[in-house]
Parts: sequence; structure tokens; C-alpha cells
Amino acid sequence: GENVEQHPSTLSVQEGDSAVIKCTYSDSASNYFPWYKQELGKRPQLIIDIRSNVGEKKDQRIAVTLNKTAKHFSLHITETQPEDSAVYFCAASRRDGNKLVFGAGTILRVKS
Amino acid sequence: NAGVMQNPRHLVRRRGQEARLRCSPMKGHSHVYWYRQLPEEGLKFMVYLQKENIIDESGMPKERFSAEFPKEGPSILRIQQVVRGDSAAYFCASSPRLSSYEQYFGPGTRLTVT
Repeated sequence: GENVEQHPSTLSVQEGDSAVIKCTYSDSASNYFPWYKQELGKRPQLIIDIRSNVGEKKDQRIAVTLNKTAKHFSLHITETQPEDSAVYFCAASRRDGNKLVFGAGTILRVKS
Repeated sequence: NAGVMQNPRHLVRRRGQEARLRCSPMKGHSHVYWYRQLPEEGLKFMVYLQKENIIDESGMPKERFSAEFPKEGPSILRIQQVVRGDSAAYFCASSPRLSSYEQYFGPGTRLTVT
């Protein structure tokens, strides 16, 4: 079955710096890759996603890149702010299955 | 436009009791997914349902766990004879149709087994 690995497990950055979180997946049939942000005690919130026919997608300060050949995708957050502090999860799913397989999460701390 | 609703938000059960968790998908959504999140871990898929059908239950433990999504009313995740290891946050997510990738999560039910 699908396996998604996520690195790093924790990441501390200074306010204003960039943060990058990377994920690799094992199932070559996966074609949808969302990123979720989860604050303590809250629900996971979809912040950006990318489909396999696209290499990069950007939404204001966040961007996601996908390399299907290497089977990895990354989340980039620029100009980080304290409110970006949260746990970020990557996930992957197949068109014919829909279930999301999640990475283990990255705790992002933005220091002001 | 109400989001995904879950209740109860917190549930305490003693070992051996039954837990019933309810999920109402977003309006217009007919696909429901249940995920479990153990403390300080990621989310693990449990089951995927459409109205009156279980589509994929590959993540469900073979015993004590069951799920349904009736024609009328919320989806229900039922855990019989709970054990301490069942303590976790249980999230449901919904999507409008099979061809729609996005899943939107509810606030979760935090189950504590004492």
C-alpha cells in the first residue's frame, strides 16, 4: 500500500524566513497531494493541494511543488509569521481510491 | 454554509463500554471518510462510505469497530467494548462526489477510555 514519509519532524524558523517541508510517496498511482495545517486541538485544514498534471502551484505565501519522477512533493512557506506555527501534514491519494494517506507531520515553530 | 459537524466533541468511556461517534457531512456532500489520530501522530484512514454503502474499510480494525452512513441522518462510527488503546481523536471528512479530490474535516471527537 501507499506510504508517505515527511521531513523534518520539527522545524524552527525566524519570523520572516522561509520554511520548506518535504514528502515522498511510494505509490506511483497517486495523483493528488494535499497539505493540511492543524493547530493544537483543532481540525486539519486544507491549505493547498496539487494534482499530478501540475508541477507547481502557488497561493500567496504558500507554494507546493511536485516531482512525479522522483515521487516527492514539497511545501514552501515564505515570509513566515507567528500564526504559521502549527503541525503540517502532507498526504497522497489515488484517483480510484480517494482515501488520504498522511505523513507523520511537521511541527513548525516560527519565532518572533 | 455549515461545515462538517461532529458530535460529541469529547467522549469519556470506561473500558468495556460502547462509543458512538456521529458525523454530519457538509451540505451537498455524499462521501464520508473516518480517520483516527493517536496522540502526537498523523491521521490514519479507517473507512470510506457513501450513503448506504461502505466503499473501503481497509483501515478498520477487524473487531469491535463498525461504521454506517444511512440514507437519512449522520454517519456513525461505533466502537464496542472500548479499550484504553482506542483513546484518540476521531475525525471525519466529507467530499461532494467521487470525482472531487478535496476532503474537508470536522472538528473531531476526542475519545478518552478510562
